[in-house]
Amino acid sequence: DQQVKQNSPSLSVQEGRISILNCDYTNSMFDYFLWYKKYPAEGPTFLISISSIKDKNEDGRFTVFLNKSAKHLSLHIVPSQPGDSAVYFCAASVARSNDYKLSFGAGTTVTVRA
Amino acid sequence: DTGVSQNPRHKITKRGQNVTFRCDPISEHNRLYWYRQTLGQGPEFLTYFQNEAQLEKSRLLSDRFSAERPKGSFSTLEIQRTEQGDSAMYLCASSSYRDRGYNEQFFGPGTRLTVL
Repeated sequence: DQQVKQNSPSLSVQEGRISILNCDYTNSMFDYFLWYKKYPAEGPTFLISISSIKDKNEDGRFTVFLNKSAKHLSLHIVPSQPGDSAVYFCAASVARSNDYKLSFGAGTTVTVRA
Repeated sequence: DTGVSQNPRHKITKRGQNVTFRCDPISEHNRLYWYRQTLGQGPEFLTYFQNEAQLEKSRLLSDRFSAERPKGSFSTLEIQRTEQGDSAMYLCASSSYRDRGYNEQFFGPGTRLTVL
């Protein structure tokens, strides 16, 4: 069963504009959420995360928003740059379970047009 | 650099053969995770180690799969009697408590397995 869902397989955005990636989850036990970025032929690399005790976390051009009541999180990239073209995975864990295993969405492929 | 490394990067095998993959984590990372990723999907958890102890195995890990982490350093994942359904990217990740309390996992480039 897919506990983390990314319903948009792809997103195309013009350079300089905002990219908004969405993620929904079904497991109410999840208490930590992460976004990973993946280039071809490389493993996923950590981008930004948020704990369930917060509703927003910002790091440079990247901001993650968490809406626990809706079981929804989003990643905003502003401004988008050509180097942001990659696959973005949303992931979640039950950190308090102490295993920290990650459940991933299927990914969203972002293409930034010049 | 001391990132996570995986070998081989690609493996092509015939159905029924055994294969073994190796993962070298970031040194001093005491947690090591294995994930499997199939086309169009995100990585799925298989198993994880804390030091040399294997603490959890997913139901995805059938009896044909075995993982070890002797001495708490590198890890191996062996698949016996491979099937075409085993074709996937096998990802290894490591973490330490210093990295957001184990929450941030560092991934290797993966081993792509193709079973003919």
